[in-house]
Amino acid sequence: EVELVESGGGLIQPGGSLRLSCAASGFLVSAGYMSWVRQAPGKGLEWVSVIFRGGVTKSADNVKGRFTISRDSSKNTLYLQMNSLRADDTAVYYCARGNHGDHYFDSWGQGALVTVSS
Amino acid sequence: QSALTQPASVSGSPGQSITISCTGTSSDVGGYSYVSWYQHHPGKAPKLMIFDVTNRPSGVSNRFSGSKSGNTASLTISGLQAEDEADYYCSSYTSSSTWVFGGGTKLTVL
Repeated sequence: EVELVESGGGLIQPGGSLRLSCAASGFLVSAGYMSWVRQAPGKGLEWVSVIFRGGVTKSADNVKGRFTISRDSSKNTLYLQMNSLRADDTAVYYCARGNHGDHYFDSWGQGALVTVSS
Repeated sequence: QSALTQPASVSGSPGQSITISCTGTSSDVGGYSYVSWYQHHPGKAPKLMIFDVTNRPSGVSNRFSGSKSGNTASLTISGLQAEDEADYYCSSYTSSSTWVFGGGTKLTVL
């Protein structure tokens, strides 16, 4: 059974850094592509970043240069390193899985809350 | 990449049908058959309901259907049930090899 469990969220001051983790089970994170999607309070879902099977990464313009997506195949875990955090980065962050060759997310985690505030 | 455009809310009575629209551009919705729809209950993980415009994953009720015309995709839910009340989001793969989501539509079952 596919399962995704996010961790690492919390309260952080503006300008600070935080690393989210997404532990996967039931499949290999390196087999397809993995994304982070976030939802700010009262707002809709917003795509953040993706890492493809070959290791190529893409990020939304508003996090480019501040957020870095990566994975550790030995731990079967996805990461999101978030630097220079701003108040508008406050959101629940979800990791999501896509199969190689597909263009949608068929499994999602429960989310991790990141609050950026002084 | 601008968010896809969805109505903020729709409503219907049990047994009725509703349709949620999702409008993008030729760089996303109109350019590919890669529109997906997700059901989201607050505090839970989003759930895939439709992929590649018209396809239903195993286990999703056939009351859910999808379509597309030009730059606009649609999700139709027939035979509305109380359990369908949730937020619904469309998403599309884009010409930049990224994804874009719609602003979300809150479905109320009256």
